[in-house]
Amino acid sequence: GAVVSQHPSRVICKSGTSVKIECRSLDFQATTMFWYRQFPKQSLMLMATSNEGSKATYEQGVEKDKFLINHASLTLSTLTVTSAHPEDSSFYICSVGPPSYEQYFGPGTRLTVT
Amino acid sequence: AQSVSQHNHHVILSEAASLELGCNYSYGGTVNLFWYVQYPGQHLQLLLKYFSGDPLVKGIKGFEAEFIKSKFSFNLRKPSVQWSDTAEYFCAVNGGDTASKLTFGTGTRLQVTL
Repeated sequence: GAVVSQHPSRVICKSGTSVKIECRSLDFQATTMFWYRQFPKQSLMLMATSNEGSKATYEQGVEKDKFLINHASLTLSTLTVTSAHPEDSSFYICSVGPPSYEQYFGPGTRLTVT
Repeated sequence: AQSVSQHNHHVILSEAASLELGCNYSYGGTVNLFWYVQYPGQHLQLLLKYFSGDPLVKGIKGFEAEFIKSKFSFNLRKPSVQWSDTAEYFCAVNGGDTASKLTFGTGTRLQVTL
């Protein structure tokens, strides 16, 4: 299966600042990547679908101006949490794979906003 | 919209006990079904998947799952669990069309005691 990396693995930032999380598909040309959020002891919630060369598609209730997604190449998608607040603290996970088929997940990024 | 239910939130078993984790989904069309596992501190890994054909699918590490269309179920089973099976297990589903997305169940935490 595809190998997916995320950077950083952990980040702590102050309230009001912005944080960028990278998702790289190391051996799969990903026209589509998915971003999830996982709260402690809860399931993964899809935030948005990142589309290479075009705008991301956000799920209902996800603020697109707060969670900026850029998918500039077939191997890299970035999620920027803008003006972060403590309630944005969470585990952010990306995945790659053809839609409707299995997804390969990155190791996740633990964001803590103080 | 599709949804996935996992009724067992936390399961504690002794080593060598048999395991069955329930998963039910709601979706009227053709579905692809998945079980993912998340070991402590690790990323999500695919255990097994069902796209079509034999409704009894075998996955890695001795796990299997049975798709029962009439019951909208895809329960995960293992005849004899090991301590190393301690992890979080997620059932997921997506529809058969190319634009669909993975919907996850709430997860089941399995704790295997020695």
